[in-house]
Amino acid sequence: AQKVTQAQTEISVVEKEDVTLDCVYETRDTTYYLFWYKQPPSGELVFLIRRNSFDEQNEISGRYSWNFQKSTSSFNFTITASQVVDSAVYFCALSEAVSTQGGSEKLVFGKGTKLTVNP
Amino acid sequence: GAVVSQHPSRVICKSGTSVKIECRSLDFQATTMFWYRQFPKQSLMLMATSNEGSKATYEQGVEKDKFLINHASLTLSTLTVTSAHPEDSSFYICSARDSSVAGSYNSPLHFGNGTRLTVT
Repeated sequence: AQKVTQAQTEISVVEKEDVTLDCVYETRDTTYYLFWYKQPPSGELVFLIRRNSFDEQNEISGRYSWNFQKSTSSFNFTITASQVVDSAVYFCALSEAVSTQGGSEKLVFGKGTKLTVNP
Repeated sequence: GAVVSQHPSRVICKSGTSVKIECRSLDFQATTMFWYRQFPKQSLMLMATSNEGSKATYEQGVEKDKFLINHASLTLSTLTVTSAHPEDSSFYICSARDSSVAGSYNSPLHFGNGTRLTVT
């Protein structure tokens, strides 16, 4: 069975600090996708990144960076120079790679990490 | 980018009534949409997969007669909570995938803003 663990329930930092959100996953699939979503207080889910299991190259997008390590089944997310607007709940998610149109892509979410960035 | 609109954003209803939630893909077509449920301070759990023109696929433990899903067009899926009870109070959020993207069945999901349902 697939499982995503975000061990950090809540993190509080001061603005401009770097912060890393941990994500550890379990799956028996050899092909899968990993995601990070941001959920601000307003409730919507904002897509941040999707990474397939064959691409272990780390990615950087502005202040955001992701470290995918299959050896440790981890897909950690780092925010550099955090800002107050980064305050939100961040979800890591895992899905199998669907091979047919209309197949159910069951996104398994972690419990989320609530990040609070204080001014 | 792809936008998914969900309506209403909040609804309060009395126990025993039915509530319909709409999920629309505004600038793309979606043959598949997904309905999730999120309890306070909890994670999101997939309820069902909505397929345009066919029956929805429900996850284990989700009552299909209680949570009616209709995906009548390529841009609209609806979730109706029938005979709602206080335990149905939750945050319901839909997501959709752009069917026009090559290999779209593995394209990223875009989520709506969610609907907070309160049953009194």
